[in-house]
Amino acid sequence: SQQGEEDPQALSIQEGENATMNCSYKTSINNLQWYRQNSGRGLVHLILIRSNEREKHSGRLRVTLDTSKKSSSLLITASRAADTASYFCATGPVNFGNEKLTFGTGTRLTIIP
Amino acid sequence: DVKVTQSSRYLVKRTGEKVFLECVQDMDHENMFWYRQDPGLGLRLIYFSYDVKMKEKGDIPEGYSVSREKKERFSLILESASTNQTSMYLCASSFYPGQTYEQYFGPGTRLTVT
Repeated sequence: SQQGEEDPQALSIQEGENATMNCSYKTSINNLQWYRQNSGRGLVHLILIRSNEREKHSGRLRVTLDTSKKSSSLLITASRAADTASYFCATGPVNFGNEKLTFGTGTRLTIIP
Repeated sequence: DVKVTQSSRYLVKRTGEKVFLECVQDMDHENMFWYRQDPGLGLRLIYFSYDVKMKEKGDIPEGYSVSREKKERFSLILESASTNQTSMYLCASSFYPGQTYEQYFGPGTRLTVT
């Protein structure tokens, strides 16, 4: 079953603008992760935020987590053509001993040069 | 850098054939995973393994089996391929049984069953 749902499903912006994607989930989590997938390729891990963290930065990426609303957002600042990809959130369960991540359906981001 | 490799990028098989997809990781990871990815459905977990010879069913194990005889290698087997198994198959690995760390993915195998 899908835990995460990304919103919007697709997003097109001009190069240089900021892109924001949202993820909502249903059950308690230990951590939430964001991945990028270029067309026809495997996923690449971008950033992990733990349930006791509210915000995390990595380069041009900013992730927020609101556990009370069961939601997260990924902000990509100063977008580049190379950021064109699909972005997935994935949640890690709260109970240890379970290594599985549950992935959402993704947001397709297109950067227009 | 962690490297996860998959045996084929593209594969075409006939209905009823037995299909083997192989995945190898070079970072001594304990956990390995097989997903399938379909448009609009995201990634769905088929099977995962947290140690050699250990396996657990994921969300959609029907029609699949797995084998992990060596720590670095995790094979997905389609016992009798069907057209509804046409999909992108992704292998991944991660550290530490019992903890959800980031996963490292292979490039994927696009399987077409005709």
